[in-house]
Amino acid sequence: EAQVTQNPRYLITVTGKKLTVTCSQNMNHEYMSWYRQDPGLGLRQIYYSMNVEVTDKGDVPEGYKVSRKEKRNFPLILESPSPNQTSLYFCASSNRGLGDLDTQYFGPGTRLTVL
Amino acid sequence: AQTVTQSQPEMSVQEAETVTLSCTYDTSESNYYLFWYKQPPSRQMILVIRQEAYKQQNATENRFSVNFQKAAKSFSLKISDSQLGDTAMYFCAFMSAPSGAAGNKLTFGGGTRVLVKP
Repeated sequence: EAQVTQNPRYLITVTGKKLTVTCSQNMNHEYMSWYRQDPGLGLRQIYYSMNVEVTDKGDVPEGYKVSRKEKRNFPLILESPSPNQTSLYFCASSNRGLGDLDTQYFGPGTRLTVL
Repeated sequence: AQTVTQSQPEMSVQEAETVTLSCTYDTSESNYYLFWYKQPPSRQMILVIRQEAYKQQNATENRFSVNFQKAAKSFSLKISDSQLGDTAMYFCAFMSAPSGAAGNKLTFGGGTRVLVKP
């Protein structure tokens, strides 16, 4: 089954404690992105990757890091989380193409609370 | 930069009735894609419908249809014969074309919460 998985699904942590949210896709997609969802703002892109070892900032990258060492995995790293990073996070993957080939597949979301 | 605006934070509709969600966007590009995503209480993002800007014909998917007005930069979603399972948050989204820009970045509106009442 084609899917994007994220772990953990829920996380409560404290300010300053480093954490990593994992993302993995099994569709051999080149493109992967991280989004955060906040009330009234919809989803906003944090970082994206267009291939292994190729990453770039999205619209709201401050306080986040990513890496893409393997094509299937795209972890999101918060080295020193702060309360304003409390949010719902989504990983997404897709390919470049025409028609449905560039459809984004979303993971199930990770609810992060930073106290 | 593109922006997407959904002016209706919440809407309610009786079961079997029709509801229309508004979406406007701002872009200087001539070709792009527009999407409606559904997010039920499970939080999963589900693609409802997509529209290519170069196509004049409005997209339809079963009970879901769009009214795409390119000159007005408007992209509304109509849900016909509303069902209880349609209760969800709905997001309008924009993507540049040809695809590939910023990893197929989607720019989302703020969302419209739809409640279908029995």
